Amino acid sequence: DVKVTQSSRYLVKRTGEKVFLECVQDMDHENMFWYRQDPGLGLRLIYFSYDVKMKEKGDIPEGYSVSREKKERFSLILESASTNQTSMYLCASSPGGRGPGEQFFGPGTRLTVL
Amino acid sequence: AQTVTQSQPEMSVQEAETVTLSCTYDTSENNYYLFWYKQPPSRQMILVIRQEAYKQQNATENRFSVNFQKAAKSFSLKISDSQLGDTAMYFCAFMKRTIYNQGGKLIFGQGTELSVKP
Repeated sequence: DVKVTQSSRYLVKRTGEKVFLECVQDMDHENMFWYRQDPGLGLRLIYFSYDVKMKEKGDIPEGYSVSREKKERFSLILESASTNQTSMYLCASSPGGRGPGEQFFGPGTRLTVL
Repeated sequence: AQTVTQSQPEMSVQEAETVTLSCTYDTSENNYYLFWYKQPPSRQMILVIRQEAYKQQNATENRFSVNFQKAAKSFSLKISDSQLGDTAMYFCAFMKRTIYNQGGKLIFGQGTELSVKP
């Protein structure tokens, strides 16, 4: 069974803290993604990676960085958390190669920055 | 740049009835995919249905079907015989077709929250 897992369902952090969100997939997918989900805005892409150690900025990368040292793991880092980064964060993965590339999503991490 | 618009933030339908969710998109691309994803309350997002732009035939998956109008850039989702388990947030999404699906970025609409009432 296809699986994408995220390290926490709920997280509360203080302004200025460094925050790590971890995502692991067990499908040997080449592509991995980080989105944030906000009411009325849908999902917006923060960063994505199409190979180990490769990363590309999405639509809203400011204030975030990512790391992909192993194929199955993709980490999102908030260098100095701010209250406007309070949101739901979703990780996804998809296979490479030709084809429609269905994305499989994790359960999400609801981050609150106080 | 591509954009996806869902103009209905909320909808409701009676159990067993049919409901249609609207989606329009804007792109200059000719080869692309369109998707509907479902996010049930407190549960993971899952794919409902997928349409390839070069296929004229509308995609169907059991009770779910789409009305794909390429010239109008419209991609609506019809849910027949609605069930309580269809209650969820529904997202329309666009993906440009690439040779090697490198990245395969999705562009999402704002979402439509569907409530199925008993």
